[in-house]
Amino acid sequence: EPEVTQTPSHQVTQMGQEVILRCVPISNHLYFYWYRQILGQKVEFLVSFYNNEISEKSEIFDDQFSVERPDGSNFTLKIRSTKLEDSAMYFCASSTQGAYNSPLHFGNGTRLTVT
Amino acid sequence: KNEVEQSPQNLTAQEGEFITINCSYSVGISALHWLQQHPGGGIVSLFMLSSGKKKHGRLIATINIQEKHSSLHITASHPRDSAVYICAVRPVSFGGTSYGKLTFGQGTILTVHP
Repeated sequence: EPEVTQTPSHQVTQMGQEVILRCVPISNHLYFYWYRQILGQKVEFLVSFYNNEISEKSEIFDDQFSVERPDGSNFTLKIRSTKLEDSAMYFCASSTQGAYNSPLHFGNGTRLTVT
Repeated sequence: KNEVEQSPQNLTAQEGEFITINCSYSVGISALHWLQQHPGGGIVSLFMLSSGKKKHGRLIATINIQEKHSSLHITASHPRDSAVYICAVRPVSFGGTSYGKLTFGQGTILTVHP
């Protein structure tokens, strides 16, 4: 069964450094998402991406964050200058239609640790 | 403000027991998702509901739109069902089309003992 893959599984970085989290969504999916989960807390929505542009974003997704789909397969989340509070598990997801109408397929997550 | 509340927060069961996890939300929604988070952290989508009831194997999900309530049932529970079960909703106020802006519950930690 096709799956969403995320790399790396664990990323350690120093405060102030840039990180890029990578995702390969399921090939025929059109909608792409990033979520994060700080340890011990609820999952939080970050951003939706459709038709090569951001369609929704949360208050968390400020100017430090950006997303790209640089080619037909990869979907990336960049954090320009990491803060300690960015430490979390970051999940990529994709779907054939929007989340109001189709299930989401999640990757296994990237654990980001900012020191 | 939309809140998603799950109960119980923790649930321990013996293998074979019937399990129910509840989810209540405070605003009108266009969809509700039940997700399973494995001990390693990965998330799997179990159901997406906008009305009625869905069944997949030993799992059943129901939703009552008028009462703003959904339940996830597991019949004949097994230790491999041990996981965190998360309810997430798409409020109508977020807009009618597409997208993944969901509000998540805090999760229910299920432990099934052999």
